[in-house]
Amino acid sequence: RKEVEQDPGPFNVPEGATVAFNCTYSNSASQSFFWYRQDCRKEPKLLMSVYSSGNEDGRFTAQLNRASQYISLLIRDSKLSDSATYLCVAVRRGGADGLTFGKGTHLIIQP
Amino acid sequence: EPEVTQTPSHQVTQMGQEVILRCVPISNHLYFYWYRQILGQKVEFLVSFYNNEISEKSEIFDDQFSVERPDGSNFTLKIRSTKLEDSAMYFCASSEGRGRSPLHFGNGTRLTVT
Repeated sequence: RKEVEQDPGPFNVPEGATVAFNCTYSNSASQSFFWYRQDCRKEPKLLMSVYSSGNEDGRFTAQLNRASQYISLLIRDSKLSDSATYLCVAVRRGGADGLTFGKGTHLIIQP
Repeated sequence: EPEVTQTPSHQVTQMGQEVILRCVPISNHLYFYWYRQILGQKVEFLVSFYNNEISEKSEIFDDQFSVERPDGSNFTLKIRSTKLEDSAMYFCASSEGRGRSPLHFGNGTRLTVT
């Protein structure tokens, strides 16, 4: 079973709209959660860590639902520059040093 | 803001040749990693390195791969005898710690094996 699963998309969203992605993780012992974004042929870049109480960074809001084992990312007032692949990561306690990435969700913001 | 740097940005080599990919992690980071991404596929973990030794490696990281921290700043990935299927983007990353610490990636080396 994959450690994380995401809808690969693509999500085609008009500029200015709100878009949300979910990501489910398989291991209930996961302790740390992150969202990364990856532009085409570029390195993954940390978008935000996900905290138990949920957290917000500007137009981005991340939520964690431990009971249902998913994390979510909400993007408000989407910009053309938000077009990218969004990768969720769940790190289990005592788990690998290295992060395991899924294929991510591809987002396309349309003008 | 400190960043991870990788050289070269693009390496072309012939099948069977050895290549060395170089990385300079962020200076106060303790954990170092190599990942690869074949075109159109996901980012795959290769190896992690801590305290001058490999702490974990994936099944991809077979005997043709090796890593080294030859001095206090560089972290290298060597592929001894390259195959066509080694063609990929190779990313180096570093982190302050493990688990809760996010990874910071370099901008990658594109390896093309002909």
